[in-house]
Formats: sequence, C-alpha cells, structure tokens
Amino acid sequence: AQKITQTQPGMFVQEKEAVTLDCTYDTSDPSYGLFWYKQPSSGEMIFLIYQGSYDQQNATEGRYSLNFQKARKSANLVISASQLGDSAMYFCAMREAQGAQKLVFGQGTRLTINP
Amino acid sequence: DAGVIQSPRHEVTEMGQEVTLRCKPISGHNSLFWYRQTMMRGLELLIYFNNNVPIDDSGMPEDRFSAKMPNASFSTLKIQPSEPRDSAVYFCASVFSGTSVDNEQFFGPGTRLTVL
Repeated sequence: AQKITQTQPGMFVQEKEAVTLDCTYDTSDPSYGLFWYKQPSSGEMIFLIYQGSYDQQNATEGRYSLNFQKARKSANLVISASQLGDSAMYFCAMREAQGAQKLVFGQGTRLTINP
Repeated sequence: DAGVIQSPRHEVTEMGQEVTLRCKPISGHNSLFWYRQTMMRGLELLIYFNNNVPIDDSGMPEDRFSAKMPNASFSTLKIQPSEPRDSAVYFCASVFSGTSVDNEQFFGPGTRLTVL
C-alpha cells in the first residue's frame, strides 16, 4: 500500500502567488515524522520542513509552512509569495517510529513558477 | 562539515562492466541509506545501514547489486554486471538515528550513472 501520496504530478503558479502542494499519508504508528524536500534541476535534495505527529502547531520555516491535518492524514506544504527559484520537484516523506529511521517518499510534485 | 560526500558524481560505463559507487556520511551519523532515482520509479530506497550493519536490503533490485559499510565513515554500492536499466541517479543519505523521528536525513549530491 502506498504510504505517501502526492496527487499533483505538476503545478503551474504565477510568481508571488501562494501555492499548496498536497501530501497524504497512511500509517498506524502513533509516532511519526513528516518531511518535505525540494529537488531543483541541479539534482540535490534539500530539506525544507519537518512536522512531528505529536506537534500541536503547524511547522513553519520562513516562506514554508506545513498544513498538518492529523485526522485527515494530510501534510500539505504551503509556499507563500512564490519566487522563480521555487521551481523544482517537491517530495513529501514520512518516517515511522517503528520504521527504524527509514524515510518513505512520495512520487513528488513538479512545481513551475511563471513570471 | 562537508556534508555527505559521494563519488564519482558522474559515471558512464558499458553494459557488463562493474560499477562501484562510494559514499562518506556525515561524521557522527550512525545510519546510512542508498536510494535510486529514476523518472519511472521515483525515489526508491535500496538498502540502509545502522551502526554499519545492513538492516533492510529489501529494496535491492537483484543479486547484481551489493552494498557494504566496512566502517562508520565509508560505504559502497556495487553493481556487477551493470545493465542499461541500472541507469539512474544514486543518492546516499545519512542521519543520526536515536529514539526520535525528527532527525533530518542529509543527502549527498548523487551519482548519475549511465550504462550504455
């Protein structure tokens, strides 16, 4: 069964607009962590933001925030005031406490910011 | 810290040849992961080590693939013999694994492998 689902293969957004990238997950482990990574065209994997299953508040890191809806098992990434440099692949990933630190990745969303 | 180091960055080889990819994790990290990324299959976990011991190699595609971690600062992924379908970007990542789930995995720059 797919543990991480990213339903948007591609998204196109105008510069300066906010964008939401969807991620849903499936786990029975009460303790887990959710991660978002960015992969620009240069290929490196860049960590963006983390949300723990027991965190009461949504995580934020600069222009990135995570809309965590535990009951719905969703962890959407919100990028405010998008910039041309935000164009990249974005991956959602999950680590379960019982998963021995293994990260499971979604298929990714390719975000394109138009000027 | 230099981050996770991978070599070579690019490798072009002919079918049937042996390929060895190398990884140096971040000092102090005790878990190391090998991933493969392709357009068709996305990012796949091949194998991971904890304290130099292979924990889960269920993602290794077949016997042609093998991985070792002789010490805490070095790991190799070997493909022998290589085939064109092995062409992909191979990432190494490391993390300090404790009891928490919040530790960020740090990725190396990847090795782009092309098998002709």
